[in-house]
Amino acid sequence: NAGVTQTPKFQVLKTGQSMTLQCAQDMNHEYMSWYRQDPGMGLRLIHYSVGAGITDQGEVPNGYNVSRSTTEDFPLRLLSAAPSQTSVYFCASSYTATRIVPGELFFGEGSRLTVL
Amino acid sequence: AQKVTQAQTEISVVEKEDVTLDCVYETRDTTYYLFWYKQPPSGELVFLIRRNSFDEQNEISGRYSWNFQKSTSSFNFTITASQVVDSAVYFCALSEPNNNDMRFGAGTRLTVKP
Repeated sequence: NAGVTQTPKFQVLKTGQSMTLQCAQDMNHEYMSWYRQDPGMGLRLIHYSVGAGITDQGEVPNGYNVSRSTTEDFPLRLLSAAPSQTSVYFCASSYTATRIVPGELFFGEGSRLTVL
Repeated sequence: AQKVTQAQTEISVVEKEDVTLDCVYETRDTTYYLFWYKQPPSGELVFLIRRNSFDEQNEISGRYSWNFQKSTSSFNFTITASQVVDSAVYFCALSEPNNNDMRFGAGTRLTVKP
């Protein structure tokens, strides 16, 4: 069982370039999210989705775009990369769509992005 | 607004020592959920425990135990007889019902030396 799969694991970009971080889960989870992890700041929510066709912003959405065309996939797009977006990105999913009772998050292995 | 504070940035202990990781939270809701996650050196994040605000019983799982005190808004994590494999960054997190932002603390890096 693969769980949550993220690609690529490492990426170096130049300022102004765009790219997409891929995330797929095979657990039929309705809830999916993207976090970024920066030293001393824990994990901060970028965007999330409670089901196919539904997305919303988290705490730090600027500079990022998401879509959810299927239950399995939740790609994160960097529109015009900036050095401030250098970070480790984690995709996560959960079985609780409504979040009335939030389930634990299942995380991917992370994607380390460097923007020069 | 919800907030989680892990005041201990780094802790270093010698194997077999007991260690407690502190977590203090802020929320306006009376119903909420607290979590602990472990991030070993390999980088993945692993769920350890979830506790709801109505259950103040302490939880024990092997060498791990959690002390939830609503009076002090704390959800502390104790590792008894620590081992080198416990070395990791530990995150405390808070989630409110119908709020899709699970708020994480900054994390505590635990190093267990042989």
